[in-house]
Amino acid sequence: AQSVTQLDSHVSVSEGTPVLLRCNYSSSYSPSLFWYVQHPNKGLQLLLKYTSAATLVKGINGFEAEFKKSETSFHLTKPSAHMSDAAEYFCVVGRNSGGYQKVTFGTGTKLQVIP
Amino acid sequence: DTEVTQTPKHLVMGMTNKKSLKCEQHMGHRAMYWYKQKAKKPPELMFVYSYEKLSINESVPSRFSPECPNSSLLNLHLHALQPEDSALYLCASSHPSTSDTQYFGPGTRLTVL
Repeated sequence: AQSVTQLDSHVSVSEGTPVLLRCNYSSSYSPSLFWYVQHPNKGLQLLLKYTSAATLVKGINGFEAEFKKSETSFHLTKPSAHMSDAAEYFCVVGRNSGGYQKVTFGTGTKLQVIP
Repeated sequence: DTEVTQTPKHLVMGMTNKKSLKCEQHMGHRAMYWYKQKAKKPPELMFVYSYEKLSINESVPSRFSPECPNSSLLNLHLHALQPEDSALYLCASSHPSTSDTQYFGPGTRLTVL
């Protein structure tokens, strides 16, 4: 069984300030963890993924996430927010299941960036 | 290249119409997925194909009919839909063994009148 909890449904930051989007997970397996971003009326774009290699994962557009097994967390951070970062962010836990991937989505965090 | 393409981008149909959504990838992925996403919600899995065989049907009504003609192509045939079926339909694909990452297409925005 697996589940993921995004602790904030909405986060608001000023442009140029740090971003923190929080995600906790639960999994009976060694999890694969992902962050996806979705801009309005668009598909999901992969930001980064953790698959049991380095615990600090660097992604696109300056985003990073740290896998902390002891805290079952996979928080997403960025040092300085840009206006273009305003979007919906989904934390996802997944595992291979016989030739396909079984995933569970978090409920999403909407990031607002204030000029 | 991590591109999944979907056509059409937008579709408006009546409740008696028959239409199809198309998804294509050329990454050699052998698993393909259909998701439905309502506004302000995460995507919900509908179907999974693995090696062109239907592996998962998440109790989707029969008015949605998936088809996987080959390893690169995935269709979703629509018939007699209801207004509540209006949503963003997303396709995704993943490699069966070397990666457990799903790559998503841009989606088809469906409106049922």
